[in-house]
Amino acid sequence: EIVMTQSPATLSVSPGKRATLSCRASQSVNNNLAWYQQKPGQAPRLLIYGASTRATGVPANFIGSGSGTEFTLTISSLQSEDFAVYYCQHYNNWPPITFGPGTKVDIK
Amino acid sequence: EVQLVESGGGLVQPGGSLRLSCAASGFTFSSYGMSWVRQAPGKGLEWVSGISGSGGSTFYADSVKGRFTISRDNSKNTLYLQMNSLSAEDTAIYFCAKDLRFFIVWGQGTKVTVSS
Repeated sequence: EIVMTQSPATLSVSPGKRATLSCRASQSVNNNLAWYQQKPGQAPRLLIYGASTRATGVPANFIGSGSGTEFTLTISSLQSEDFAVYYCQHYNNWPPITFGPGTKVDIK
Repeated sequence: EVQLVESGGGLVQPGGSLRLSCAASGFTFSSYGMSWVRQAPGKGLEWVSGISGSGGSTFYADSVKGRFTISRDNSKNTLYLQMNSLSAEDTAIYFCAKDLRFFIVWGQGTKVTVSS
C-alpha cells in the first residue's frame, strides 16, 4: 500500500499571502495525484487531478505541481474562502486508493 | 446538474448491518465507475470501495473486505453499500463519489454510528 504524507499538518497564513502545501508518496505514483479541499460540514471538493490539472471551475490561483513522490499545492493570494483542510490522494496502481492525512490552512 | 444523494445511515449496534444508498442524477450513471469514501469523526478521508460502470468489477479496502459489498442498479441510477459485521471503527460519514480513480463529484454524506 502506498502511504501518503502531508506537511505541515497546520499552516497559518495571512489573507492575501501564498500557501504552499506538500504531499509525499512512499513510492512513485507518477502523476496520478489529486488534491481536494474540504470545509467544515461539507463534502470534499476536487481541485486538482493528474498532479497539475485544475478541475472544472477551480480558480487559477490553485496550482498543482510535482511527479513521482513529491507534490505541491500552491494557493496564491489566499482568500477567506480558501481556509480549509486540503487532502492529497493517489490513484496509481490501485486498489487501494489512499489519502494523505490533510493540511489545515487557517487564518494567521 | 450532477447530483449524488446518500441515504440509509443511522445508529446500529456492533455486529449489525446497514445498507447505504446513493441516488445519482444529471449524468449517464451506467457509464461511470462509482466509489464510497468515509470519514471518521474528526479524522481524514478513507477510500472504502469502488465499482465499475457495468458492476462487473468491484474493489475494496482491506479494512472492509469480506464485510462490505458494493453494488449498483443502473436501471435505478443507484449505488449501494451493504455493510455487515459493523464495529465501532466503522463509525463515519459515508460519501458516495463519481468515478473510480479520483472523485469529481461527491454526495453530502450519510452518517453511520456503530454503538450499543
